[in-house]
Amino acid sequence: DSGVTQTPKHLITATGQRVTLRCSPRSGDLSVYWYQQSLDQGLQFLIQYYNGEERAKGNILERFSAQQFPDLHSELNLSSLELGDSALYFCASSYQGGNTEAFFGQGTRLTVV
Amino acid sequence: GQQLNQSPQSMFIQEGEDVSMNCTSSSIFNTWLWYKQDPGEGPVLLIALYKAGELTSNGRLTAQFGITRKDSFLNISASIPSDVGIYFCAGARFNDMRFGAGTRLTVKP
Repeated sequence: DSGVTQTPKHLITATGQRVTLRCSPRSGDLSVYWYQQSLDQGLQFLIQYYNGEERAKGNILERFSAQQFPDLHSELNLSSLELGDSALYFCASSYQGGNTEAFFGQGTRLTVV
Repeated sequence: GQQLNQSPQSMFIQEGEDVSMNCTSSSIFNTWLWYKQDPGEGPVLLIALYKAGELTSNGRLTAQFGITRKDSFLNISASIPSDVGIYFCAGARFNDMRFGAGTRLTVKP
C-alpha cells in the first residue's frame, strides 16, 4: 500500500458528461501529480500541485481541470467527456515538488461509453 | 509529452537471463527513479537515485545515476517470471517530474 488513495476505482459514464476523480496524498506529502495512461501507453503528465498551488502543467486538455484543497487532497475534473478520454488516471504524491520520490495510487479506470 | 527517452521499448527474455534498460534526457535531473507497473495497477517505486554516479541495488535490481545527470540505467539479474511488467524511469528536478515511455518486459519460463 503506497498510502495514496484514489476514488473511485472504476467509473463508467456517457459522452458529454462530467466526472470528478479524487486523490488523497500520503500523510505529509505536499505535492500531487496527475497522470493519464491510455491502453498500453505510457504515463502522460497532466498537472501538478504543490501545497495548494499549481506548479506545472503538462498536456492537459482545456476540458480538464484540477485543484488541491487546504487539506491537500486533490480533485481532477473531466468535462464534456469523449470516448478518447477513456483511460487510467493516476495520482502520485511526494513530499516536495521534485527531487524526492513520488508514490502512486491504484488509479481510477474511466470508461466513457 | 515525454521528455525522457527510454529504451528498449520492449524485451522478450528467457527466465534466468539478465536485463538492461536505460533512460536518457537532454535535460539534467536531480533525481532518477525507477518504477514497475503490473497490469491495471499503479506504478510501484523500485529504486531512487539522488546523486550523480550513484549505484544502488534492491535485491536483483541495480540502477545507476549517470555522471552527466542526463541518464540512468536499470539492470535486473537472473530474471524470474514475476519480473514481467512495464518498467518506467522518471527524472525529477525542482517541481517537475517526467516519465519515460516504459519498457515492457516479458519473461518466458
